[in-house]
Amino acid sequence: GENVEQHPSTLSVQEGDSAVIKCTYSDSASNYFPWYKQELGKGPQLIIDIRSNVGEKKDQRIAVTLNKTAKHFSLHITETQPEDSAVYFCATGGNKLVFGAGTILRVKS
Amino acid sequence: GAGVSQTPSNKVTEKGKYVELRCDPISGHTALYWYRQSLGQGPEFLIYFQGTGAADDSGLPNDRFFAVRPEGSVSTLKIQRTERGDSAVYLCASSPTAVPYYEQYFGPGTRLTVT
Repeated sequence: GENVEQHPSTLSVQEGDSAVIKCTYSDSASNYFPWYKQELGKGPQLIIDIRSNVGEKKDQRIAVTLNKTAKHFSLHITETQPEDSAVYFCATGGNKLVFGAGTILRVKS
Repeated sequence: GAGVSQTPSNKVTEKGKYVELRCDPISGHTALYWYRQSLGQGPEFLIYFQGTGAADDSGLPNDRFFAVRPEGSVSTLKIQRTERGDSAVYLCASSPTAVPYYEQYFGPGTRLTVT
């Protein structure tokens, strides 16, 4: 079955700096790649997603890039703010999402 | 509008007991999903419903786990003869349609602790 690996497991950045989280997947037929943000005691919340027909998507300070040949996709957060501190998960799949293990992002002010 | 709600928020039970976890999806959402999240891990798929029927239950770990959605809205995840390894956060999500690649809206989860 599908396997998703996510790096790094923890990431500390200074407020205002950029943060990059990377994921690789195993199934070359995968077409959908969402990113979720999870705050303590809450369920994951979708922050951005990309489908395989595009290589990049941007929404304000957040962007996702996809390299289907290499089977990896990345989340980029620019101008980080303390409220960006959370756990971020990449995922892929259709109805049945397969998640990475998560990245704890800490933004230091 | 109201999001996905799950009850109870916390459940502590003894090994061997039976538990039921409830999910109220967003009104009108036809697809409903159950995931399990262990500490420090990403959510792991259990089952999803399209309307009243289970469209994919391949993630249920064994026959102690069962889920129903009798009227196509509220769903209940049932766990028999609980084991300590069942301790986790059980997440429910819903989606407007069962067509793949639509956003899944997650509830806050039920934290199950088996002692």
